[in-house]
Amino acid sequence: DAKTTQPPSMDCAEGRAANLPCNHSTISGNEYVYWYRQIHSQGPQYIIHGLKNNETNEMASLIITEDRKSSTLILPHATLRDTAVYYCIVRVEETSGSRLTFGEGTQLTVNP
Amino acid sequence: NAGVTQTPKFRVLKTGQSMTLLCAQDMNHEYMYWYRQDPGMGLRLIHYSVGEGTTAKGEVPDGYNVSRLKKQNFLLGLESAAPSQTSVYFCASSSHSGGAYNEQFFGPGTRLTVL
Repeated sequence: DAKTTQPPSMDCAEGRAANLPCNHSTISGNEYVYWYRQIHSQGPQYIIHGLKNNETNEMASLIITEDRKSSTLILPHATLRDTAVYYCIVRVEETSGSRLTFGEGTQLTVNP
Repeated sequence: NAGVTQTPKFRVLKTGQSMTLLCAQDMNHEYMYWYRQDPGMGLRLIHYSVGEGTTAKGEVPDGYNVSRLKKQNFLLGLESAAPSQTSVYFCASSSHSGGAYNEQFFGPGTRLTVL
């Protein structure tokens, strides 16, 4: 799996957009970018994933650069409940069981 | 629809004791996983299962055993607990249909302390 690099921490004001970057310069053509988050003491929660195109769902948007070497997770209107550790994971889609590798992620703190 | 549940939520063991952690899912998922998370670190995969009756080793399998006798349950066993196994244990499941192989659903965790 490609290695990812994320800033250890970020702050964001409540109501503003939170933009969380992730570098994955060694990503290969068949690897997807996944984002999970973990609110304190809870199990991780899937947010979104994508391959090449930008993706949007009810939680967030995922912007992947054209060369696919980096991506940004966007929470359009951050709330205090979005304070969490956000994990960027690069992984192939496979049918023999998914083995995600969680790094240390980015601690996002949303301030009132 | 309860999703993924874990039993127990908390447990304190003495060194050398044994215990079993139970994970149950009601989403009819084929894949199930056990992770551990130490303070300030990301999750590490212990064992996983791609179907009833099958198990496989993950990144940190030593000191643990698993069984998947029923599709909805995945058991994690510690035969002789050690202080290094003090951690939070998370179970997860995922489906292999619809291309959602890597969309895992996690349980609330079991906090285990080994004295």
